[in-house]
Amino acid sequence: DSGVTQTPKHLITATGQRVTLRCSPRSGDLSVYWYQQSLDQGLQFLIQYYNGEERAKGNILERFSAQQFPDLHSELNLSSLELGDSALYFCASSVASNSGNTIYFGEGSWLTVV
Amino acid sequence: GNSVTQMEGPVTLSEEAFLTINCTYTATGYPSLFWYVQYPGEGLQLLLKATKADDKGSNKGFEATYRKETTSFHLEKGSVQVSDSAVYFCALSDYAGKSTFGDGTTLTVKP
Repeated sequence: DSGVTQTPKHLITATGQRVTLRCSPRSGDLSVYWYQQSLDQGLQFLIQYYNGEERAKGNILERFSAQQFPDLHSELNLSSLELGDSALYFCASSVASNSGNTIYFGEGSWLTVV
Repeated sequence: GNSVTQMEGPVTLSEEAFLTINCTYTATGYPSLFWYVQYPGEGLQLLLKATKADDKGSNKGFEATYRKETTSFHLEKGSVQVSDSAVYFCALSDYAGKSTFGDGTTLTVKP
């Protein structure tokens, strides 16, 4: 158990819908990351927050947005869903945001868009 | 930008065979380097890391040495077990803390 909690574990929704994925980082971790893992594109970095502020942006679509709240939990919002958005979405956290910090991953949220 | 290139899989070995999974990177400055492992149905977990040149990370019989001159961080294990079957990811974290992962290498160890 990494200490990173993600909900829901599984989600099935229809195209065009909107979903919210939630993440609670490890106790004491200030940095939260979101990743998308799909068969055809591997593990893609989406976005990183540090202590409530956006720190780095990766291959995140404009239909997706995220935020980190004052209690440090984070949400990833996916809207206007398409079939290609079906993937495993990981949240991860680390103590800080500098090089050398180990990133701890949650077990992921499986999203299936039908 | 930063990039990580790792050996394409899948890799299939017999138990007790020697394992090498190659990983090379491109980054500015002096990144930290990591190997993560993902067992079926689970999230990624840190296997080992090295934060400066010539450092050797090791864990559970796996080793990798940070080679700045060849920009490499190859993963090795002298004798693999069936329980080592998993997907292995090489990754780097740059000075700003931005992480970049390789595409993953699937290892299957047969008894």
